[in-house]
Amino acid sequence: GENVEQHPSTLSVQEGDSAVIKCTYSDSASNYFPWYKQELGKGPQLIIDIRSNVGEKKDQRIAVTLNKTAKHFSLHITETQPEDSAVYFCAEITGGGNKLTFGTGTQLKVEL
Amino acid sequence: GAGVSQSPSNKVTEKGKDVELRCDPISGHTALYWYRQSLGQGLEFLIYFQGNSAPDKSGLPSDRFSAERTGGSVSTLTIQRTQQEDSAVYLCASSPRGTSGAGELFFGEGSRLTVL
Repeated sequence: GENVEQHPSTLSVQEGDSAVIKCTYSDSASNYFPWYKQELGKGPQLIIDIRSNVGEKKDQRIAVTLNKTAKHFSLHITETQPEDSAVYFCAEITGGGNKLTFGTGTQLKVEL
Repeated sequence: GAGVSQSPSNKVTEKGKDVELRCDPISGHTALYWYRQSLGQGLEFLIYFQGNSAPDKSGLPSDRFSAERTGGSVSTLTIQRTQQEDSAVYLCASSPRGTSGAGELFFGEGSRLTVL
C-alpha cells in the first residue's frame, strides 16, 4: 500500500546552516516525488519535484535526491534563511496513480 | 489571476449539524482534490475529480462525507452530522491534468472547521 514516512517532525537550524529532511516510501512503483512548503495560514506550495529516472535535482538553494534502491528521497536546503521557516511535506505518486500521498510534515525553524 | 478559492475560511459548528465547504478551482484545471489536515498531521486524501470521470472517493472517512463537482468547476464538500473528530483544515487543490501526469497541485488556503 501507499505509505510515506517523513523525518524529522521538527528541525531547528541556525541561519546559514543546511537543513535536510528525509522521506521513505514503500511502493516500488512510485515514480514521482514532489516537495511542498506550507507557510502559516496558507495552502501547501510545490517547491521542487523529482521523477524516478533522475537521481538528483537542484534549484538554487534547494535540492532533492532520490535513492530508488533504498526507497528514500531527501530535501536539502542550503544557506537557510528565516523565510525558509515553514512546514515541509514530501509526497509520492505511484505509476498510473492519480493522487498524491503525503508525509506527515517537518516543521522547519530557521533561527537568527 | 485568481488561484484556488475556498469558502468559508473559518467555520464553527455544533456537533450534529451539517456543513458545506466550497472550492473554486483555477479556471481550466480539470482535476480537483480535497485533502484534510488535522492539527499537527499530514495531508489526508479525501476525494479526487478528473473531468467527467467517476470521482475517486476512496479517501472519504465515512458515509457522512460527500462531495460533488458541478459543471466541471466548483466543488462542494458536505459533512453531515458533524463530529468533534471532523475538526480540521479542509484543503482543496486543482491541477491542469491530474497527477497521473505528475502535475503540480495548486492548493487553496483551506477551510478551518471547528466542531464544538
